[in-house]
Amino acid sequence: EDKVVQSPLSLVVHEGDTVTLNCSYEVTNFRSLLWYKQEKKAPTFLFMLTSSGIEKKSGRLSSILDKKELFSILNITATQTGDSAVYLCAVFEGSQGNLIFGKGTKLSVKP
Amino acid sequence: NAGVTQTPKFQVLKTGQSMTLQCAQDMNHNSMYWYRQDPGMGLRLIYYSASEGTTDKGEVPNGYNVSRLNKREFSLRLESAAPSQTSVYFCASSERSPQWPQHFGDGTRLSIL
Repeated sequence: EDKVVQSPLSLVVHEGDTVTLNCSYEVTNFRSLLWYKQEKKAPTFLFMLTSSGIEKKSGRLSSILDKKELFSILNITATQTGDSAVYLCAVFEGSQGNLIFGKGTKLSVKP
Repeated sequence: NAGVTQTPKFQVLKTGQSMTLQCAQDMNHNSMYWYRQDPGMGLRLIYYSASEGTTDKGEVPNGYNVSRLNKREFSLRLESAAPSQTSVYFCASSERSPQWPQHFGDGTRLSIL
């Protein structure tokens, strides 16, 4: 059975800390891995990763994929209270053509 | 710059009632999706429409029907609502297949008593 596992499930840090969120996956026909940020309502797209070892970066957020070890990490440096959200990892598998989501990591950044 | 618009935002139903959740996107996307999000379960795909005129079942289709009315609109119908369908429902769209980044609506919070 295809699955996407995120860890930790929740995390509390203070402003200025650096955090690393993990996503491991087991899918039969991997095509891509996507990260989303969900605050109170709609998930918003952060990154899409298809190639191993190539870092995607946007401001203080960065992500990298390891296709050999079947995982991805999302790094957030110099965290701010506005980074508080649930971060969702999703993997697109090509056999069924579905996007499979993990359960998310809830990040709380305290002032 | 609306993106994906869902209506209604909130709804309370009684068991056995029917209703339709509406979704429209203005990004000229080909593919549209319906998900449900439950505590501890993540987002699960109910149905999707890869292009106008086609629909396919996702992971949890039982108890739901969909209609891709045109390229912009994709509706989700609950024919006989059950308490197990209490959830937050998200509509999403993507330019092409699910592999492409999906843009989500703000969700419909549905409670079934």
